[in-house]
Amino acid sequence: DTAVSQTPKYLVTQMGNDKSIKCEQNLGHDTMYWYKQDSKKFLKIMFSYNNKELIINETVPNRFSPKSPDKAHLNLHINSLELGDSAVYFCASSISPLYNEQFFGPGTRLTVL
Amino acid sequence: QKEVEQNSGPLSVPEGAIASLNCTYSDRGSQSFFWYRQYSGKSPELIMFIYSNGDKEDGRFTAQLNKASQYVSLLIRDSQPSDSATYLCAVRGGNQFYFGTGTSLTVIP
Repeated sequence: DTAVSQTPKYLVTQMGNDKSIKCEQNLGHDTMYWYKQDSKKFLKIMFSYNNKELIINETVPNRFSPKSPDKAHLNLHINSLELGDSAVYFCASSISPLYNEQFFGPGTRLTVL
Repeated sequence: QKEVEQNSGPLSVPEGAIASLNCTYSDRGSQSFFWYRQYSGKSPELIMFIYSNGDKEDGRFTAQLNKASQYVSLLIRDSQPSDSATYLCAVRGGNQFYFGTGTSLTVIP
């Protein structure tokens, strides 16, 4: 069974479109995260939710909007996609915000043309 | 701006040698320090974490922390070709994790 899953795995779209990435974890964790990894492998946190509440909201364009319908799901919606949004987006989860180990999903490779 | 810096490499070592990976961080208030391994096209996975000064060993891996120098390292003994990956250093302050850009390691058979 996959612990942290993301869909889709690949996403190719045109500039200006709106797209969503979904994440689900079956680990019973309270905390979920979205990270962006650029072409230089730099992994940067975007958002974190603890039990459906937003606890980390980094400096990210407001075109990015996370939504957590329940603590097992954290989705990322992106409006008006730009070329610079091309990256790999990783979802992760942990038992709590202060727990050391994060479990990462397989990633979603977004390409904006 | 909290920064975590690593040499991007690539670092090449022969099989059986010790690989040494280094990381410095800017925030003296950082509390915990992590090493993640990321194979090409895969997601990061946690290898070790350390929060006290000194060494922490787990199998072939040793993490070393020096808070005074704001320096953390990872030693991989008896390097294997399967250790070839990018190694990401991460630092936690509060709820936040800050990652370095990673060091690419190649172990040559």
